[in-house]
Amino acid sequence: GQQLNQSPQSMFIQEGEDVSMNCTSSSIFNTWLWYKQEPGEGPVLWIALYKAGELTSNGRLTAQFGITRKDSFLNISASIPSDVGIYFCAGHTFNNAGNMLTFGGGTRLMVKP
Amino acid sequence: GAGVSQTPSNKVTEKGKYVELRCDPISGHTALYWYRQSLGQGPEFLIYFQGTGAADDSGLPNDRFFAVRPEGSVSTLKIQRTERGDSAVYLCASSEEGTELFFGEGSRLTVL
Repeated sequence: GQQLNQSPQSMFIQEGEDVSMNCTSSSIFNTWLWYKQEPGEGPVLWIALYKAGELTSNGRLTAQFGITRKDSFLNISASIPSDVGIYFCAGHTFNNAGNMLTFGGGTRLMVKP
Repeated sequence: GAGVSQTPSNKVTEKGKYVELRCDPISGHTALYWYRQSLGQGPEFLIYFQGTGAADDSGLPNDRFFAVRPEGSVSTLKIQRTERGDSAVYLCASSEEGTELFFGEGSRLTVL
């Protein structure tokens, strides 16, 4: 089945630093999404990418959809303590039922004040 | 409330017992999804409902798992003869057709 490989698995950074994480897939996705999950909560959508090559920002978060539709990266600039959480990439294809998503394994971000 | 509501938030049960997990989607959302999230993993798809019918149940791991949505709103995920490997957070999400999924906070199931 489809799999998303997400890296790094975890990051421990100093407040103010920039962060970068990425996802790759052996399959093509039509839509690529980036979610953030905080402890005890469900994932919350932060960025949605619909076109190959698309670059989209939401506040200090910026994500790009790879030209091949098989990869995406997420950057967080000038990190702050509230950025702490697990960031998941997720892909969707039109072959999937409804909006069924395939998730990556997540990147756990820890920010030291 | 305005969001997806899941109950119970935590469930501890013994191996072999039967468990029901409930999801109350956002009002008016026709699509409902169940995902399972094991510790340190991303959510994995279980089943998708469009209205009352299960449009895709390909993610259910075996026949001990079953889900219903009899009136096209609230859904119940049912797990029979629970095993320790069933321990996970079960996430429910809902959406209007073709739009963003909104997730609930999940039901954490622990099988002893």
